[in-house]
Amino acid sequence: NAGVTQTPKFRVLKTGQSMTLLCAQDMNHEYMYWYRQDPGMGLRLIHYSVGEGTTAKGEVPDGYNVSRLKKQNFLLGLESAAPSQTSVYFCASSSSGLIYQETQYFGPGTRLLVL
Amino acid sequence: RKEVEQDPGPFNVPEGATVAFNCTYSNSASQSFFWYRQDCRKEPKLLMSVYSSGNEDGRFTAQLNRASQYISLLIRDSKLSDSATYLCVVYNNNDMRFGAGTRLTVKP
Repeated sequence: NAGVTQTPKFRVLKTGQSMTLLCAQDMNHEYMYWYRQDPGMGLRLIHYSVGEGTTAKGEVPDGYNVSRLKKQNFLLGLESAAPSQTSVYFCASSSSGLIYQETQYFGPGTRLLVL
Repeated sequence: RKEVEQDPGPFNVPEGATVAFNCTYSNSASQSFFWYRQDCRKEPKLLMSVYSSGNEDGRFTAQLNRASQYISLLIRDSKLSDSATYLCVVYNNNDMRFGAGTRLTVKP
């Protein structure tokens, strides 16, 4: 099993450009999450999904959109990139809600630089 | 005030030492608690969940104090391979909050 994979690993964008980050998991997990990690801030939840076709906002959703058309994939879109979106983006998945102390499995991250 | 606060460290300890990290959280309704480990430029990985009664996994012991709203992680007999950043994670109703992490360096 590959676990959680992310594409691309690294990207440089110019302000105003758009892009989509792809997250894929092969563990048949229901829950998927997108986080960003900035120095001194810890990981912050952007959006999450509790199942195919559903999405919800997290702590910092502004400037991002997501889609979960297939259970195994969770896409994060930046419609008009801004320098403030320079960050490391992590995708994660879990089999059920974390209230049950379920493990989140993280992808290797995507490093995004917006100039 | 941040919802989850950790001492950023760094903690520099010799091999074999015992080291403890604390983490405080502000939401008294928080339901689940975790410690994750993150190596430099890598993804976080679950170290252990934290249960109300406290739990132990080898050299690692986690405690939860709901009354004072903090969780702790104790590492005994530190190894060089324990060098990493330790993230405290607090969960409530699909809202995940991560601490900024405590950096640990174990030296020979």
